[in-house]
Amino acid sequence: DQQVKQNSPSLSVQEGRISILNCDYTNSMFDYFLWYKKYPAEGPTFLISISSIKDKNEDGRFTVFLNKSAKHLSLHIVPSQPGDSAVYFCAASNTNAGKSTFGDGTTLTVKP
Amino acid sequence: DGGITQSPKYLFRKEGQNVTLSCEQNLNHDAMYWYRQDPGQGLRLIYYSQIVNDFQKGDIAEGYSVSREKKESFPLTVTSAQKNPTAFYLCASSGAGGQPQHFGDGTRLSIL
Repeated sequence: DQQVKQNSPSLSVQEGRISILNCDYTNSMFDYFLWYKKYPAEGPTFLISISSIKDKNEDGRFTVFLNKSAKHLSLHIVPSQPGDSAVYFCAASNTNAGKSTFGDGTTLTVKP
Repeated sequence: DGGITQSPKYLFRKEGQNVTLSCEQNLNHDAMYWYRQDPGQGLRLIYYSQIVNDFQKGDIAEGYSVSREKKESFPLTVTSAQKNPTAFYLCASSGAGGQPQHFGDGTRLSIL
C-alpha cells in the first residue's frame, strides 16, 4: 500500500506561468512533509518543507500548501522557469520515526 | 566542502557475486539512509541508521546488508540473494528527527 502518492507522472507548463504539483498521503501519523528536486544522474536536493502545525510555507518562488483534513499537499512554483524542469518528489515523515516515505515523483517540464 | 560521497558512480556485478557500495558523509549527521530507485519509480528505503552501531530494515531490505561502524560511513552490500539488483542506488544523511536529507549522486549497478 503506497502511503505517499503523486498521481501525475508528468506536468508541462509555459515559462512564467504557475506550476502546481500535487501529493496525497494516507498515514495520519505523518507530521512533516518535504519536497525534493532531482535532475538526471544526480541525487535529489531538498527544496522546501512544511510541518503539520502549519498550512503554508513560502520560500521565494516556491510555496507548499498543506491540507491535513484532505491529507493533501501541493507545491506551487511562480513564476516557472526552464531551469525548474526536473523530477519533483514529495516525501512525508513522522519526526519520531526518523525516516521518510517518498512518492514516485512528477516530471515537470517548463517550456520557454 | 561538506557533502555526501558515493562511489563508484557505475558498478558491474557478475551473477552470484556480492558487491559493496560506498557512502561517506562529512556533514556530522547522525542518520544515514540507503534507497533504491528503479526507472519511473520513486525512492524505496532499503536500510537506515539513526546512530552508530545501529540500523533498521526499510521496506525492501531482503538481499542487502549494511554496517555502521563509524558516523561518517554507511556501506551497502548487495548480496547474491538479491535477485534483481540492477538499479540506481542513492545514499543520504540527515540530522535527527526526520530533518531534510542530503543525497549523494548515486551508484548505478548493472549485472553482467
